[in-house]
Amino acid sequence: DQQVKQNSPSLSVQEGRISILNCDYTNSMFDYFLWYKKYPAEGPTFLISISSIKDKNEDGRFTVFLNKSAKHLSLHIVPSQPGDSAVYFCAALGSGAGSYQLTFGKGTKLSVIP
Amino acid sequence: GAGVSQSPRYKVAKRGQDVALRCDPISGHVSLFWYQQALGQGPEFLTYFQNEAQLDKSGLPSDRFFAERPEGSVSTLKIQRTQQEDSAVYLCASSLGAGAKTDTQYFGPGTRLTVL
Repeated sequence: DQQVKQNSPSLSVQEGRISILNCDYTNSMFDYFLWYKKYPAEGPTFLISISSIKDKNEDGRFTVFLNKSAKHLSLHIVPSQPGDSAVYFCAALGSGAGSYQLTFGKGTKLSVIP
Repeated sequence: GAGVSQSPRYKVAKRGQDVALRCDPISGHVSLFWYQQALGQGPEFLTYFQNEAQLDKSGLPSDRFFAERPEGSVSTLKIQRTQQEDSAVYLCASSLGAGAKTDTQYFGPGTRLTVL
């Protein structure tokens, strides 16, 4: 059973516009969330994270929003650039034993069209 | 500085063969993780080392999978008697500290294993 869900396998956005990638989770023990970006033939690269005590974290063009009551988070990229084209993975960490184990979604492939 | 490196990048094995996958973490990183990524899926946790100690092997799918990190640096993931369902990308990650949430896990490029 998928504990982290990314329901959109792909997303196309025009250059300069906003990209919004969504992620839902089911495990109430998750308290730290991350986004990773992956180019073909490379490993995932950390992008941005958010703790469950916050509802927003911003880093340059990237902002992550967390809605704990809805168990939903989103990654906003604005403005989108062609170099942002990649697969984006949402990941979560829980508390207690095994809190270092990243649980990933299936990923969303973002294509930014010039 | 150098990132996490993995070798080989691609491995083709016949069913029943043993394989060994190598990971060179970032120098000085205490924690090392192995993940398995099947086609169309996200990475799934396999095992965790803190220095040379394997503290968690709860994600290893069967006793055919074995990992070691004898000197607290390089790690090897060994798969015995490979099966077709073992076909996946095997990702290694390392982090500086001892597994805290805020310690970023840095991933290598992975080894793509294909079992025929």
